[in-house]
Amino acid sequence: NAGVTQTPKFQVLKTGQSMTLQCAQDMNHEYMSWYRQDPGMGLRLIHYSVGAGITDQGEVPNGYNVSRSTTEDFPLRLLSAAPSQTSVYFCASSYGPGALGYTFGSGTRLTVV
Amino acid sequence: KNEVEQSPQNLTAQEGEFITINCSYSVGISALHWLQQHPGGGIVSLFMLSSGKKKHGRLIATINIQEKHSSLHITASHPRDSAVYICAVAYGNKLVFGAGTILRVKS
Repeated sequence: NAGVTQTPKFQVLKTGQSMTLQCAQDMNHEYMSWYRQDPGMGLRLIHYSVGAGITDQGEVPNGYNVSRSTTEDFPLRLLSAAPSQTSVYFCASSYGPGALGYTFGSGTRLTVV
Repeated sequence: KNEVEQSPQNLTAQEGEFITINCSYSVGISALHWLQQHPGGGIVSLFMLSSGKKKHGRLIATINIQEKHSSLHITASHPRDSAVYICAVAYGNKLVFGAGTILRVKS
């Protein structure tokens, strides 16, 4: 099925460990983005990309790294996990932030202990 | 920076009631999205607006660009409408989200 595939769905990390959250889309969308969702707060933008080879920081980029080597994939790397990074992470894609067809992945629930 | 305010934060309605959720923002935008997040956590796009009004089934979304305000209406509400409704505004290359409105519709 066309859409955004996000893996894993759940992950527990120890403080200091690193990991990569995977995000892939098959809709040929140029715009991809990562968000975190914390209780009582709206979704917050971590990083985004407007096309292959182009990435930029969002509102809360510290502790995260991204790359966009292909149109389809936009992985999010946690460099050294901290308890403050415990959150639910969503990847999304569209033709642009103001475009129709904004599609979200199913989310990753990450716990850092 | 664009601030997005949603109201109310929580809303409980009886089945069949007409529901309104409001969204205000502070800076000019290129578009506004209404999203729905069900208890399972998945997020679905309901509407994208840049002007005027859109309707899909029992859902209606309006936007007033001059007043920097949008509303989401649900007519004849049903328990399956229970979800979190999120407003998000697009400006520049970013989306900024409201904190969401938790809607519970009782039968």
